[in-house]
Amino acid sequence: NAGVTQTPKFQVLKTGQSMTLQCAQDMNHEYMSWYRQDPGMGLRLIHYSVGAGITDQGEVPNGYNVSRSTTEDFPLRLLSAAPSQTSVYFCASSYSVGGYEQYFGPGTRLTVT
Amino acid sequence: AQSVTQLDSQVPVFEEAPVELRCNYSSSVSVYLFWYVQYPNQGLQLLLKYLSGSTLVESINGFEAEFNKSQTSFHLRKPSVHISDTAEYFCAVSPYLIQGAQKLVFGQGTRLTINP
Repeated sequence: NAGVTQTPKFQVLKTGQSMTLQCAQDMNHEYMSWYRQDPGMGLRLIHYSVGAGITDQGEVPNGYNVSRSTTEDFPLRLLSAAPSQTSVYFCASSYSVGGYEQYFGPGTRLTVT
Repeated sequence: AQSVTQLDSQVPVFEEAPVELRCNYSSSVSVYLFWYVQYPNQGLQLLLKYLSGSTLVESINGFEAEFNKSQTSFHLRKPSVHISDTAEYFCAVSPYLIQGAQKLVFGQGTRLTINP
């Protein structure tokens, strides 16, 4: 099992550019989510999904879109990048069972200039 | 809604000394409690969790945490730390839900630095 994979590892964007952060898991997990990690703020939930075709907003959804067409993939789209979106982004997955461990990807470090 | 407060942003300790990382939470519903660890330049890994039952939970590498419902705390302890424990530690909660979106709410993190 590869677990949770994320690409790219690093990305630099100019303000206003768009891009997609990729996330895939091979554990047949129903639940997938995206977090951003900023110094002193822990991880904050951006969007999540409980299955293919079902997504919902987390705590900080503005400026981001998601879709989930398959169980395995959960891409995160930045529509028009802003410097405030400079962050480290983590994708996570788990079974949709109470208290189950969430598995995290290695992260994507994004800088918006 | 839930919130988590980690009371120390940085904790420096000497090798083989004991350590306690403090975590308090607030929630209007029952929650599951977790500690995750992030080693430098890596993603997060589950260290231990409390779901129900015994209030003292242990990890395979010597950490333990105790759930205190009256104080709404879930402090993490280790009696003797090693250099390899240097990492950032995150306390997190998710609302009690048998099935569905297991949304985690994280604390701000505590950076544990072990000095030789």
